[in-house]
Amino acid sequence: AQSVTQLDSQVPVFEEAPVELRCNYSSSVSVYLFWYVQYPNQGLQLLLKYLSGSTLVKGINGFEAEFNKSQTSFHLRKPSVHISDTAEYFCAVSDWGGSNYKLTFGKGTLLTVNP
Amino acid sequence: DAGVTQSPTHLIKTRGQQVTLRCSPKSGHDTVSWYQQALGQGPQFIFQYYEEEERQRGNFPDRFSGHQFPNYSSELNVNALLLGDSALYLCASSDSGRADTQYFGPGTRLTVL
Repeated sequence: AQSVTQLDSQVPVFEEAPVELRCNYSSSVSVYLFWYVQYPNQGLQLLLKYLSGSTLVKGINGFEAEFNKSQTSFHLRKPSVHISDTAEYFCAVSDWGGSNYKLTFGKGTLLTVNP
Repeated sequence: DAGVTQSPTHLIKTRGQQVTLRCSPKSGHDTVSWYQQALGQGPQFIFQYYEEEERQRGNFPDRFSGHQFPNYSSELNVNALLLGDSALYLCASSDSGRADTQYFGPGTRLTVL
C-alpha cells in the first residue's frame, strides 16, 4: 500500500521569499510522483510530475521539485513566491507498472503568501 | 479543446436520498476516475472506469456506484446519503488509465443535510 505524508499543514511566507513544501511517500514499488495545486473553490491543477530520468523536475509557475529515492521524498520549491501562489498544494503518488492506476494524495499544505 | 467538465456545480440533499453526479472527460481520454475530497483533506480514490467497466475501486462502500457510457462520460451514484458524504467530488480523466495523464474537473460540491 502507498501513503503520502505532507509534513506541514500550513506554511505562511512573505511575498518574494523562497518556499519549500515537504512531501514524503511510502511504497513497496517504484512510483510516479506529482504535485497538484488547488485554488479556492476549484479543482486540481497539475504543477509537475516525476516519472523517470532527472531527479530535478521543473513545473509551471516557477515551481520545481526534487525526487530523492533514498529519503523517499519529493519536496516542492519556489525561489520567490507571489501573492497569487496562495493555494492548497497536494503531493500524490502512483505505482508505475502493474495495474494500479489510482493516485494516492497527501492531506495537503496550505501555502499563504503575505504582502 | 474542452477540459474535464462536471455537473452540477453544487448540490444539496438530505440524509437517505440518492444523488447522481456527471462527468465528461477531456477530448481524447477514455478513462474516468472519481475522487472524494472531504473538507480539509486530500482527495481519496473512489473508483475508475475504463471500457465501460469498473477497473479499480478504493475503500468505499457499495452505496457508491458508477457507470461509464460509450462516449466515455461517466456518472457517480451515491445511495442512502449520510452526513459524512458531504464533500467535493472530483472527476479525473486520462488516456487508458495512465496515472501520469490525469486531468481533473472543477468538482461537484455535495452537501448532505
